Amino acid sequence: KQEVTQIPAALSVPEGENLVLNCSFTDSAIYNLQWFRQDPGKGLTSLLLIQSSQREQTSGRLNASLDKSSGRSTLYIAASQPGDSATYLCAVRPDAGKSTFGDGTTLTVKP
Amino acid sequence: GAGVSQSPSNKVTEKGKDVELRCDPISGHTALYWYRQSLGQGLEFLIYFQGNSAPDKSGLPSDRFSAERTGGSVSTLTIQRTQQEDSAVYLCASSFRQNSYEQYFGPGTRLTVT
Repeated sequence: KQEVTQIPAALSVPEGENLVLNCSFTDSAIYNLQWFRQDPGKGLTSLLLIQSSQREQTSGRLNASLDKSSGRSTLYIAASQPGDSATYLCAVRPDAGKSTFGDGTTLTVKP
Repeated sequence: GAGVSQSPSNKVTEKGKDVELRCDPISGHTALYWYRQSLGQGLEFLIYFQGNSAPDKSGLPSDRFSAERTGGSVSTLTIQRTQQEDSAVYLCASSFRQNSYEQYFGPGTRLTVT
């Protein structure tokens, strides 16, 4: 059974700092991995999707990497801003079907 | 274009009543997913539809839960004889093959059972 762990559970940083969020999974037979952000009381917004054959994806200040063999992904956020404050979730799936989610990292960026 | 929409946004019901939650996926998306997010807990998979294939119902917590998808588009999640532990946010997502099945989520329905 796939298990997904996100560390740390919470993170508080001053504005402008670069930071890394971690996601680990137990079964390396994945189809893809997706990073989301969730604002309080809202749904999930897709940030980046990495296919199992890819090593990284970039979008603006965000960069996600994938090391399938070690069961790890990282989300790098450059030059953090208060608007980045949210809960960040990673999700893995073995095929096009259901995803297994981590419990998330709650990020607070202080002005 | 329009994203995934869900209705109602909030639903308060009495214990024992039946409820129906609706999801309108992005047009053209063949895959549709339901998840549940309980207070202080992670997202829990409920059910997955893909085209005309039999749905993956492996996440439904009990036989009080059912879902259907009509015409390959709109989906309805039905909870019969609601219990207080059913209180949660119910999230729907859709995806399609041409975009590597990247999941796009709706805003969710917050269900409160009193």
